[in-house]
Amino acid sequence: ELKVEQNPLFLSMQEGKNYTIYCNYSTTSDRLYWYRQDPGKSLESLFVLLSNGAVKQEGRLMASLDTKARLSTLHITAAVHDLSATYFCAVEPANAGGTSYGKLTFGQGTILTVHP
Amino acid sequence: SAVISQKPSRDICQRGTSLTIQCQVDSQVTMMFWYRQQPGQSLTLIATANQGSEATYESGFVIDKFPISRPNLTFSTLTVSNMSPEDSSIYLCSVEVVIGWYWGDTQYFGPGTRLTVL
Repeated sequence: ELKVEQNPLFLSMQEGKNYTIYCNYSTTSDRLYWYRQDPGKSLESLFVLLSNGAVKQEGRLMASLDTKARLSTLHITAAVHDLSATYFCAVEPANAGGTSYGKLTFGQGTILTVHP
Repeated sequence: SAVISQKPSRDICQRGTSLTIQCQVDSQVTMMFWYRQQPGQSLTLIATANQGSEATYESGFVIDKFPISRPNLTFSTLTVSNMSPEDSSIYLCSVEVVIGWYWGDTQYFGPGTRLTVL
């Protein structure tokens, strides 16, 4: 059974600071996703990481993937209040036989609060 | 990208009744997925809905409780049957879309249906 663990689960940051959210998973994976969820809203796709060493950046967020360590990170640079949200990583297991295509297992989520 | 709409956006239902949630996508997609997000929790996959075949359910979810229809490539419904307060959750549909060589496939989520069972 695929397990996905995020840490920390709660993150309180000061504006302007940097921090990293970690996502560990237990089996080989074809894809790893990062999503953002604002209170009462649906999920917004941030990144999809496909291969070992993949790094993607969008604004103050940068995501990376190490498939050997089964670890992804979401790095926040110079945080601003608008980044306050819950961040989820989600893993699609290795697609042997095609039966796992699109089936995501989510981490617990990291509630990020950025304060002045 | 894909634009996904769900109806209803929220509902309050009585114990023992059933609710059907609709999911509409603005483009044809092969596979649609239904997830549940219980209050304050993460998302859990309920089932995968392919057009023209039976839905496949994840461990802990059964067809009698969560029947799914997928009549065409842009539409699906999820019914929550014989509801109890434990079914109070947000139900989300999602689709996987190819968006380019750099970004790869990504999975988009609908706005969700917030269900409260009294």
